[in-house]
Formats: sequence, C-alpha cells, structure tokens
Amino acid sequence: DQQVKQNSPSLSVQEGRISILNCDYTNSMFDYFLWYKKYPAEGPTFLISISSIKDKNEDGRFTVFLNKSAKHLSLHIVPSQPGDSAVYFCAASENNNDMRFGAGTRLTVKP
Amino acid sequence: EAQVTQNPRYLITVTGKKLTVTCSQNMNHEYMSWYRQDPGLGLRQIYYSMNVEVTDKGDVPEGYKVSRKEKRNFPLILESPSPNQTSLYFCASSADSGVGEQYFGPGTRLTVT
Repeated sequence: DQQVKQNSPSLSVQEGRISILNCDYTNSMFDYFLWYKKYPAEGPTFLISISSIKDKNEDGRFTVFLNKSAKHLSLHIVPSQPGDSAVYFCAASENNNDMRFGAGTRLTVKP
Repeated sequence: EAQVTQNPRYLITVTGKKLTVTCSQNMNHEYMSWYRQDPGLGLRQIYYSMNVEVTDKGDVPEGYKVSRKEKRNFPLILESPSPNQTSLYFCASSADSGVGEQYFGPGTRLTVT
C-alpha cells in the first residue's frame, strides 16, 4: 500500500519555463516532507523539505507547497534548466522515524 | 570528503548463497538506513537504525538482516537471497536524530539468479 504517490511517471518542459511536480499522500500523520533528485548511476540527493506546520518553503529556484487538507505536495522549479533533468522523488515521514517515498517522476528539460 | 560508501557496487549471485553489502559513512551520523529501488515502486525502506545497537524494521524487511555495532557501519545481510531480491539498493545516513535529510550512497545493483 503506497502511502506516497507520484501519479505522473514523466514530465517534459521547455528550458526557462516552470516545472511542477506533484505528490499525493494518504497518511494524515505525516509531518515532514522532502524532495530528492536522482541522476542515473548516482544515489538520490536531498533537494528541499517542508514541515507540516508550513505551507510553503523556498530555496532559490525551488519551491515546495504543502496543502494538508488535500494531502498534496508540489515542487515548482522556476526557471527550469537542462541540468534539472533527473528523476524526482517525493518522500514523507511520521515522527521522524521511517520514511516513505513515491515512485518518482522523470523530468526532462529541453533546451 | 563527506560521503556514504557501499560495497560492492554490482553483485550477481545465486539463490541461497549468503551475502553482505557493506555501508559506511564518515560524517558521524547517528541515523542510517537501507532502501531498495524497484521500477514503479520508488524507494522502499528495508531497515533503519537510530543509533548503535538500535535497529528497526522499515517497510519491506522480510529476507534481510542488519546490524549496527559501530556508528559508521551498517551492513545489509541477505542470509538466503532469492530472485525477488534482485534490485538496486541504497544506504543512507542522516545528521538528524531521526530520518531527516539523508545522504545516500551510490547504490548496489544486486542480481539473484
């Protein structure tokens, strides 16, 4: 039973435009959410996180939005760059113990 | 350089032959964990450890063992590997007291025939 779902396996955007990656979760007890980026043949790398007490967190070109009532998380990348092409994983944690990941979305940014 | 290392990076083995995948971190992190990545399923947590001698089951612990005798090392043991354990495995560590923002190793691709 996947508690974290990324329903779009892939997304393609033009360089300079906005990329929006979406994530839904079912467990209302999740209180910490993260996004990881993964390049081929490498381990995932942390990108940005948000606590359940916030609804937005920004870090440069990356912004994460949290809608708790809808149990929905999104990552916005503005402007998108070709180097952003990677697989993006959404993850969630309850009480900072274990962590659940989504299946990932492959983002392709075209020059 | 701060890093998480895993060995081996690639392994092909046969059903039933015990194997160990090592994981080591040089960041003095307390939290360490193991994940497997499978197509369409993302990363699933196998086991995690919040400190030395403290380990807990993750989402998919069946068929795996771990130990945490030292802070820096967290080996993953497959006592009797089966073909359904063919996967890409990642070790990770975190500076937080809990899972937090994790640093991942480069991965170990395991094939069990």
